[in-house]
Amino acid sequence: EVHLVDSGGGLVQPGGSLRLSCAASGFTFSTYEMTWVRQAPGKGLEWVAYIDSGATTIKYADSVQGRFTISRDNAKNSLFLQMNSLRADDTAVYYCARDHIAPGLYFDYWGQGTLVTVSA
Amino acid sequence: EIVLTQSPATLSLSPGARATLSCRASQSVSSRLAWYQQKPGQVPSLLIYEASNRATGIPDRFRGSGSGTDFTLTITSLEPEDSAIYYCQHRASWPITFGQGTRLEIK
Repeated sequence: EVHLVDSGGGLVQPGGSLRLSCAASGFTFSTYEMTWVRQAPGKGLEWVAYIDSGATTIKYADSVQGRFTISRDNAKNSLFLQMNSLRADDTAVYYCARDHIAPGLYFDYWGQGTLVTVSA
Repeated sequence: EIVLTQSPATLSLSPGARATLSCRASQSVSSRLAWYQQKPGQVPSLLIYEASNRATGIPDRFRGSGSGTDFTLTITSLEPEDSAIYYCQHRASWPITFGQGTRLEIK
């Protein structure tokens, strides 16, 4: 069974940093593209970042470009999101999601989400 | 950036009725569009991909149609558990974007 477990969220001050993790199991992680999606409290879904299976193609939303870094460790079946220079509008639940295979860039499994709160 | 506009914002229907949800793209996305369902307190789940293909385990009460800029999610024989927010999402170009959602209430 596919399982994604998000962790690393918490309360951080504006300008601070946080590293989110996503532990994957139940599928061959190294062959799947992965994505982070966030959802601000009471709001809709916002795509954040994408990484292909070999970490050769990486994309970011303009709102996080230059501040966030997506990465993965295929040996440890893990996905990461390093978030720097955090702002109040980064407050959201962050979900890791597995990309559907053929075609990709749709999200067929999601983690439970981890809440990031940016506040003084 | 491709903007996806969903309508209506809220839809209130009775059990057994048919729901028609719309998603309009600001430019053509061909058939590169998906629909997700998010029930209260739950994570989103993939319903439809490539405009009309049901994801694994999705009943045939859920039907996606459209191409280009206009897309529709039709849900027939509504059940109380269909109460959720429904989002469309395109993959036609970067950045990927989602619509703002349609809230479906079954009363």
